[in-house]
Amino acid sequence: QQQVKQSPQSLIVQKGGIPIINCAYENTAFDYFPWYQQFPGKGPALLIAIRPDVSEKKEGRFTISFNKSAKQFSLHIMDSQPGDSATYFCAASKGSSGDKLTFGTGTRLAVRP
Amino acid sequence: DSGVTQTPKHLITATGQRVTLRCSPRSGDLSVYWYQQSLDQGLQFLIQYYNGEERAKGNILERFSAQQFPDLHSELNLSSLELGDSALYFCASSVMAAAGELFFGEGSRLTVL
Repeated sequence: QQQVKQSPQSLIVQKGGIPIINCAYENTAFDYFPWYQQFPGKGPALLIAIRPDVSEKKEGRFTISFNKSAKQFSLHIMDSQPGDSATYFCAASKGSSGDKLTFGTGTRLAVRP
Repeated sequence: DSGVTQTPKHLITATGQRVTLRCSPRSGDLSVYWYQQSLDQGLQFLIQYYNGEERAKGNILERFSAQQFPDLHSELNLSSLELGDSALYFCASSVMAAAGELFFGEGSRLTVL
Protein backbone atom coordinates (compact mmCIF):
# COMPACT_ATOMS: atom_id res chain seq x y z
CA GLN A 1 0.00 0.00 0.00
CA GLN A 2 2.96 2.27 0.47
CA GLN A 3 4.35 1.78 -3.02
CA VAL A 4 4.54 4.41 -5.69
CA LYS A 5 4.98 2.86 -9.12
CA GLN A 6 6.79 4.99 -11.68
CA SER A 7 7.15 4.48 -15.41
CA PRO A 8 8.95 4.44 -17.71
CA GLN A 9 12.34 3.57 -16.28
CA SER A 10 14.04 5.55 -19.01
CA LEU A 11 12.94 7.90 -21.74
CA ILE A 12 14.61 9.48 -24.75
CA VAL A 13 13.04 12.41 -26.59
CA GLN A 14 14.15 14.94 -29.14
CA LYS A 15 14.55 18.57 -28.19
CA GLY A 16 11.15 20.22 -28.22
CA GLY A 17 9.33 16.99 -27.46
CA ILE A 18 7.00 16.47 -24.51
CA PRO A 19 8.19 13.66 -22.26
CA ILE A 20 5.56 12.26 -19.93
CA ILE A 21 6.39 10.36 -16.76
CA ASN A 22 3.67 8.49 -14.96
CA CYS A 23 3.19 7.46 -11.37
CA ALA A 24 0.51 5.41 -9.65
CA TYR A 25 -0.19 4.94 -5.97
CA GLU A 26 -2.40 2.73 -3.84
CA ASN A 27 -2.71 4.53 -0.54
CA THR A 28 -5.75 6.79 -0.75
CA ALA A 29 -4.51 8.64 2.34
CA PHE A 30 -1.70 10.22 0.32
CA ASP A 31 -2.30 13.93 -0.05
CA TYR A 32 1.01 15.39 -1.17
CA PHE A 33 2.67 14.53 -4.47
CA PRO A 34 6.04 16.14 -5.23
CA TRP A 35 8.40 15.58 -8.13
CA TYR A 36 12.13 15.75 -7.59
CA GLN A 37 14.77 16.28 -10.28
CA GLN A 38 18.24 14.83 -9.93
CA PHE A 39 21.21 15.66 -12.11
CA PRO A 40 24.23 13.33 -12.21
CA GLY A 41 26.43 13.77 -9.17
CA LYS A 42 23.86 15.91 -7.40
CA GLY A 43 21.16 15.34 -4.86
CA PRO A 44 17.48 15.47 -5.79
CA ALA A 45 15.84 18.88 -5.82
CA LEU A 46 12.15 19.68 -5.55
CA LEU A 47 10.75 20.54 -8.97
CA ILE A 48 7.01 20.88 -8.47
CA ALA A 49 4.37 19.48 -6.13
CA ILE A 50 0.61 19.07 -6.12
CA ARG A 51 -2.14 18.33 -3.64
CA PRO A 52 -5.25 16.35 -4.63
CA ASP A 53 -7.60 19.32 -4.49
CA VAL A 54 -6.45 20.38 -7.97
CA SER A 55 -6.18 18.35 -11.16
CA GLU A 56 -3.30 20.24 -12.72
CA LYS A 57 -0.44 22.47 -11.67
CA LYS A 58 1.92 24.26 -13.98
CA GLU A 59 5.27 25.85 -13.21
CA GLY A 60 7.07 27.11 -16.26
CA ARG A 61 7.49 24.22 -18.70
CA PHE A 62 6.65 21.61 -16.07
CA THR A 63 3.08 20.43 -15.48
CA ILE A 64 1.68 17.90 -13.05
CA SER A 65 -1.59 16.25 -14.01
CA PHE A 66 -3.44 14.53 -11.18
CA ASN A 67 -6.23 11.96 -11.48
CA LYS A 68 -7.55 11.24 -8.02
CA SER A 69 -10.06 8.58 -9.06
CA ALA A 70 -7.40 6.63 -10.95
CA LYS A 71 -4.81 7.27 -8.25
CA GLN A 72 -2.36 8.43 -10.88
CA PHE A 73 -0.31 11.53 -11.48
CA SER A 74 2.09 12.48 -14.20
CA LEU A 75 4.77 14.98 -15.08
CA HIS A 76 4.82 16.65 -18.50
CA ILE A 77 7.77 18.69 -19.69
CA MET A 78 6.81 21.08 -22.46
CA ASP A 79 9.33 22.08 -25.12
CA SER A 80 11.97 19.85 -23.53
CA GLN A 81 15.59 20.94 -23.68
CA PRO A 82 18.88 19.02 -23.41
CA GLY A 83 19.32 20.71 -20.02
CA ASP A 84 16.26 18.83 -18.78
CA SER A 85 18.21 15.57 -19.07
CA ALA A 86 18.10 14.18 -15.54
CA THR A 87 16.47 11.56 -13.38
CA TYR A 88 12.99 12.40 -12.20
CA PHE A 89 11.43 10.94 -9.07
CA CYS A 90 7.81 11.12 -8.14
CA ALA A 91 6.84 10.78 -4.52
CA ALA A 92 3.77 10.70 -2.35
CA SER A 93 2.97 11.11 1.30
CA LYS A 94 0.26 11.70 3.81
CA GLY A 95 1.16 15.14 4.96
CA SER A 96 4.29 16.72 3.60
CA SER A 97 6.72 15.41 6.15
CA GLY A 98 9.85 14.01 4.64
CA ASP A 99 9.83 10.92 6.81
CA LYS A 100 6.64 9.78 5.17
CA LEU A 101 7.61 10.44 1.57
CA THR A 102 7.48 7.30 -0.56
CA PHE A 103 9.56 7.74 -3.69
CA GLY A 104 9.14 6.10 -7.07
CA THR A 105 12.11 4.31 -8.60
CA GLY A 106 12.96 7.17 -10.93
CA THR A 107 12.90 7.87 -14.66
CA ARG A 108 16.10 8.67 -16.49
CA LEU A 109 15.29 11.25 -19.16
CA ALA A 110 17.59 12.08 -22.06
CA VAL A 111 16.69 14.96 -24.34
CA ARG A 112 18.61 14.79 -27.63
CA PRO A 113 19.65 18.08 -29.28
CA ASP B 1 23.81 24.55 -4.28
CA SER B 2 21.26 23.28 -1.75
CA GLY B 3 23.25 24.41 1.26
CA VAL B 4 23.45 20.88 2.64
CA THR B 5 26.98 19.55 2.94
CA GLN B 6 27.86 15.89 3.04
CA THR B 7 31.25 14.30 3.62
CA PRO B 8 32.92 12.24 2.38
CA LYS B 9 31.74 12.27 -1.23
CA HIS B 10 33.22 8.85 -1.90
CA LEU B 11 34.20 6.06 0.42
CA ILE B 12 35.59 2.63 -0.36
CA THR B 13 35.87 0.09 2.41
CA ALA B 14 35.84 -3.63 3.08
CA THR B 15 33.14 -5.91 4.41
CA GLY B 16 32.90 -5.96 8.17
CA GLN B 17 34.20 -2.43 8.54
CA ARG B 18 32.51 0.61 10.06
CA VAL B 19 32.12 4.04 8.49
CA THR B 20 30.66 7.37 9.49
CA LEU B 21 28.94 9.73 7.10
CA ARG B 22 28.54 13.35 8.05
CA CYS B 23 25.92 15.92 7.15
CA SER B 24 25.65 19.63 7.82
CA PRO B 25 22.13 20.90 7.17
CA ARG B 26 21.20 24.23 5.66
CA SER B 27 21.59 27.13 8.01
CA GLY B 28 18.45 27.38 10.11
CA ASP B 29 17.11 23.93 9.25
CA LEU B 30 16.30 21.88 12.33
CA SER B 31 15.32 18.64 10.66
CA VAL B 32 17.73 16.17 9.08
CA TYR B 33 16.78 13.10 7.09
CA TRP B 34 18.91 10.23 5.83
CA TYR B 35 18.04 8.34 2.66
CA GLN B 36 19.65 5.41 0.89
CA GLN B 37 19.68 5.20 -2.91
CA SER B 38 20.74 1.89 -4.41
CA LEU B 39 21.15 1.05 -8.08
CA ASP B 40 17.75 1.02 -9.81
CA GLN B 41 16.07 1.80 -6.52
CA GLY B 42 14.27 4.87 -5.42
CA LEU B 43 15.14 6.77 -2.32
CA GLN B 44 14.59 4.73 0.81
CA PHE B 45 13.99 6.72 3.98
CA LEU B 46 16.24 5.65 6.83
CA ILE B 47 15.81 8.03 9.74
CA GLN B 48 14.90 11.60 10.70
CA TYR B 49 16.14 13.85 13.47
CA TYR B 50 14.57 17.08 14.56
CA ASN B 51 16.47 19.48 16.77
CA GLY B 52 18.61 16.73 18.20
CA GLU B 53 15.88 14.19 18.80
CA GLU B 54 15.03 11.13 16.73
CA ARG B 55 11.64 11.79 15.15
CA ALA B 56 10.99 9.00 12.70
CA LYS B 57 12.54 5.74 11.65
CA GLY B 58 12.23 4.05 8.32
CA ASN B 59 13.90 1.00 6.85
CA ILE B 60 17.09 1.43 8.83
CA LEU B 61 19.05 -1.70 9.65
CA GLU B 62 20.08 -2.39 13.23
CA ARG B 63 23.72 -2.21 12.05
CA PHE B 64 23.10 1.44 11.20
CA SER B 65 22.66 4.28 13.65
CA ALA B 66 22.54 8.03 13.52
CA GLN B 67 22.55 11.05 15.73
CA GLN B 68 22.11 14.79 15.50
CA PHE B 69 24.42 16.97 17.52
CA PRO B 70 23.70 20.28 19.33
CA ASP B 71 25.11 22.21 16.37
CA LEU B 72 22.51 20.32 14.26
CA HIS B 73 24.97 18.41 12.13
CA SER B 74 24.22 14.73 11.84
CA GLU B 75 26.21 11.56 11.46
CA LEU B 76 25.13 8.21 10.05
CA ASN B 77 27.14 5.27 11.33
CA LEU B 78 27.20 2.08 9.30
CA SER B 79 28.81 -0.96 10.90
CA SER B 80 29.54 -4.60 10.03
CA LEU B 81 29.32 -3.52 6.43
CA GLU B 82 28.11 -5.94 3.80
CA LEU B 83 28.39 -5.82 0.02
CA GLY B 84 24.72 -4.91 -0.20
CA ASP B 85 25.30 -1.73 1.77
CA SER B 86 27.03 -0.21 -1.25
CA ALA B 87 24.84 2.74 -2.19
CA LEU B 88 24.48 6.48 -2.31
CA TYR B 89 23.54 7.89 1.05
CA PHE B 90 21.78 11.23 0.98
CA CYS B 91 21.19 13.66 3.74
CA ALA B 92 18.36 16.17 3.43
CA SER B 93 17.22 18.96 5.66
CA SER B 94 14.12 21.03 6.16
CA VAL B 95 13.17 23.92 8.38
CA MET B 96 10.59 22.13 10.43
CA ALA B 97 9.76 18.57 11.38
CA ALA B 98 7.02 18.42 8.79
CA ALA B 99 8.04 20.47 5.82
CA GLY B 100 7.05 20.09 2.22
CA GLU B 101 10.42 20.70 0.65
CA LEU B 102 13.50 18.70 1.42
CA PHE B 103 16.90 20.09 0.51
CA PHE B 104 19.28 17.28 -0.39
CA GLY B 105 23.04 17.17 -0.20
CA GLU B 106 25.10 15.70 -3.02
CA GLY B 107 25.38 12.37 -1.32
CA SER B 108 28.09 10.06 -0.07
CA ARG B 109 28.84 7.14 -2.36
CA LEU B 110 29.79 4.09 -0.32
CA THR B 111 31.42 1.12 -1.98
CA VAL B 112 31.91 -2.03 0.08
CA LEU B 113 34.38 -4.50 -1.40
